[in-house]
Amino acid sequence: DGGITQSPKYLFRKEGQNVTLSCEQNLNHDAMYWYRQDPGQGLRLIYYSQIVNDFQKGDIAEGYSVSREKKESFPLTVTSAQKNPTAFYLCASSILAGGPSTDTQYFGPGTRLTVL
Amino acid sequence: AQSVAQPEDQVNVAEGNPLTVKCTYSVSGNPYLFWYVQYPNRGLQFLLKYITGDNLVKGSYGFEAEFNKSQTSFHLKKPSALVSDSALYFCAVRDMFSGGYNKLIFGAGTRLAVHP
Repeated sequence: DGGITQSPKYLFRKEGQNVTLSCEQNLNHDAMYWYRQDPGQGLRLIYYSQIVNDFQKGDIAEGYSVSREKKESFPLTVTSAQKNPTAFYLCASSILAGGPSTDTQYFGPGTRLTVL
Repeated sequence: AQSVAQPEDQVNVAEGNPLTVKCTYSVSGNPYLFWYVQYPNRGLQFLLKYITGDNLVKGSYGFEAEFNKSQTSFHLKKPSALVSDSALYFCAVRDMFSGGYNKLIFGAGTRLAVHP
């Protein structure tokens, strides 16, 4: 988990609220990612970003938004439009991908979000 | 479609015995394959990867994996299991159609339980 921090570790949200999950990395990585983990389903990609002020939707982007104003930071907002937000959220980063990238993704410790 | 499968939800092994966690893949072209481990309520830790070269890849904590192109498999192995190896293991393959972005496709995970 070293080099990537996520906060908070646990987060509780009331229905209808937006919440923002923090992800910071000091690895000087260009690329950052957000995944959602549900039991028995592995990891699913929400959003990813290769460079500041650029990001792309992953496989399950609906109900989520991101920003990438700084290289070190990639916050994820879970909006009220996300119908089933209770999950474990993982942030990752890697060296800039280009062409047939072989770069390894390194993960933060995760944030567990629970909707009350 | 590109995919990765982990056919076993759980693997049970006695401490000191060899362990194998299975992974098969389906991709176009040459695959880039990864193994990660996750301990409870933690992020994923990188174990090893195969890009090219020797079919036997050695990684962290005494783990190794064998790439078998004809069987499209990348099984994780360890000669002698420890109780501390008990965790959730994920196989992943790089998405070769991600337009240069380093996208990974994850399997659903295999829970390894090592009994004393």
